[in-house]
Amino acid sequence: DIQMTQSPPSLSASLGDKVTITCQASQNINKYIAWYQQKPGKAPRLLIRYTSTLESGTPSRFSGSGSGRDYSFSISNVESEDIASYYCLQYDNLRTFGGGTKLELK
Amino acid sequence: QVQLKESGPGLVQPSQTLSLTCTVSGFSLTSNSVHWVRQPPGKGLEWVGAIWSGGSTDYNSALKSRLSISRDTSKSQVFLKMNSLQTEDTAIYFCTRSLRRVYDYWGQGVMVTVSS
Repeated sequence: DIQMTQSPPSLSASLGDKVTITCQASQNINKYIAWYQQKPGKAPRLLIRYTSTLESGTPSRFSGSGSGRDYSFSISNVESEDIASYYCLQYDNLRTFGGGTKLELK
Repeated sequence: QVQLKESGPGLVQPSQTLSLTCTVSGFSLTSNSVHWVRQPPGKGLEWVGAIWSGGSTDYNSALKSRLSISRDTSKSQVFLKMNSLQTEDTAIYFCTRSLRRVYDYWGQGVMVTVSS
């Protein structure tokens, strides 16, 4: 099974900051990584697929990059509506979620 | 429009079997796969398993020995059965549609508590 190590588990940011979350796969996942946002009591929402492709409706302040085993997800100019938990998902071989990152306001 | 809705018992006794149903609309089970994902209270997401458009299944290796996923295409329903439940299986269980390999639509989730 592919393991996904996501860091940091939590992140504190001020409005307008840039934040970055990373996910490392236990093997090459060929850019098949997606990023989800989840707010309390809600189902996850797809933001980015295939490393860097923004879904329709995803603000341009969200971005993704990476290759091989190492991937990152960034939010530039954090807004209050971005306060949520974020998860990576590898879909190269079956599915594995990262452990999640909780983004809070400083 | 695409919709998924989970249903099932909210409380299951330890060692018993969990049976959940995901009823879908707006798409065909023979064209899209449906996956189950669970989330223990206050914790992260865990992939449980999938039934693919052709009817084959795959499971999380940690749950495989206790898990079965099936479907009834005529009723647009996907079923999850997990036996030998333990308290660690307490979680919100979501069903979700996979489109081009990622999850685009999700059900609201159903909370399952394992307790005597």
